[in-house]
Amino acid sequence: QVQLQQWGAGLLKPSETLSLTCAVDGGSFSGYYWTWLRQTPGKGLEWIGEITHSGSATYNPSLRSRVTISVDTSKNQFSLKVTAVTAADTAVYSCVRGVREGYYYYMDVWGNGTTVTVSS
Amino acid sequence: DIQMTQSPSSLSASVGDRVTITCRASERISTYLNWYQQKPGKAPKILIYAASTLHSGGPSRFSGSGSGTDFTLTISSLQPEDFATYFCQQSYRTPYTFGQGTKVEIK
Repeated sequence: QVQLQQWGAGLLKPSETLSLTCAVDGGSFSGYYWTWLRQTPGKGLEWIGEITHSGSATYNPSLRSRVTISVDTSKNQFSLKVTAVTAADTAVYSCVRGVREGYYYYMDVWGNGTTVTVSS
Repeated sequence: DIQMTQSPSSLSASVGDRVTITCRASERISTYLNWYQQKPGKAPKILIYAASTLHSGGPSRFSGSGSGTDFTLTISSLQPEDFATYFCQQSYRTPYTFGQGTKVEIK
């Protein structure tokens, strides 16, 4: 049973860098799309971006200038960095496994989520 | 971005009721549509992908239909464990986008 264990700082000041890491435990690291999402009561679920085990990343254009997703295959981990955070980045951030079956894609394993609050 | 609009935003229903939730895409997405269930304080769980394919282990009372821009999620006989929020998500093109959610509450 694959599990995603995530961690990182939960309280940031404006202009700081958000940094989260997710470890993949109990399953293959290759062949999937390792994804970061965030969720707020107001904006709902927002896809931040994804990365493959080979390091090919795709980002949401709305966040692209501030976001970096990286992968460490030696540890079966992937990470998220968001620079210059503002209050608008306050959300629950989750790491997720994306699966492609033929032409179809869905997300099937989720981390527990990290509440990130940006406040001065 | 492809906008996903769900309706209703919430509904009240009784155990045993048939429930239908609608999701509309702002452009045609073929059948690249997923449905998720989320309970309070928990991560979402995939229910249906490719518009109508029940994910492994999903209860057969859940079904999905639709193609193009209009999709539905149906719960044939609502069970106590089905009270939750349901989201649709398009996987036609990145950035993947979600509907705002439909909260199913006990009547």
